[in-house]
Amino acid sequence: AQSVAQPEDQVNVAEGNPLTVKCTYSVSGNPYLFWYVQYPNRGLQFLLKYITGDNLVKGSYGFEAEFNKSQTSFHLKKPSALVSDSALYFCAVRDVGSYNTDKLIFGTGTRLQVFP
Amino acid sequence: ETGVTQSPTHLIKTRGQQVTLRCSSQSGHNTVSWYQQALGQGPQFIFQYYREEENGRGNFPPRFSGLQFPNYSSELNVNALELDDSALYLCASSLYRDRGEKLFFGSGTQLSVL
Repeated sequence: AQSVAQPEDQVNVAEGNPLTVKCTYSVSGNPYLFWYVQYPNRGLQFLLKYITGDNLVKGSYGFEAEFNKSQTSFHLKKPSALVSDSALYFCAVRDVGSYNTDKLIFGTGTRLQVFP
Repeated sequence: ETGVTQSPTHLIKTRGQQVTLRCSSQSGHNTVSWYQQALGQGPQFIFQYYREEENGRGNFPPRFSGLQFPNYSSELNVNALELDDSALYLCASSLYRDRGEKLFFGSGTQLSVL
């Protein structure tokens, strides 16, 4: 069965510093990986995806993610954090057994807190 | 902001009651899926509708059912509510050709079952 793990419940970073939010995955075959962000009282917003190709994927709001097959990781990064980046971040993997659907398997989320 | 709208935003029900949640898809999107997000958890896939038929289902009992209408809007119905059904229910729309690759989520309906 596919799964993703987000080992950190919360990440704290000072504004202007680089940030990393970690995600590891367990998938049979080639993974389709995603990052979504959830702001308070809002639904999830798509940030970026990895399907194939370059291991460094660029997404919205200056975020990027690095796919590492040997470490089965897909960490979210940003060179310089903003206070407005404070939110709940979810890593997700597409369910390969449900190819015709929008079924994603989400991690438990990591709360990012950026301090001024 | 996405173009996906959900109603109501909040709802309180008692155990054993039935509830209907509504979703309007983003313009042009023909697929809608529903997710349940319990407190402190990631969203879990309930089911998906395409062409007014359910074409995928997660590990949820039959008392969770849905509809998709010709204008691609959707309903989620839950019968015989249980306390564990308390959660944020998220609707997401997409184009079928992009299935699984980019979802547009609504802000959700917060359901509390007492």
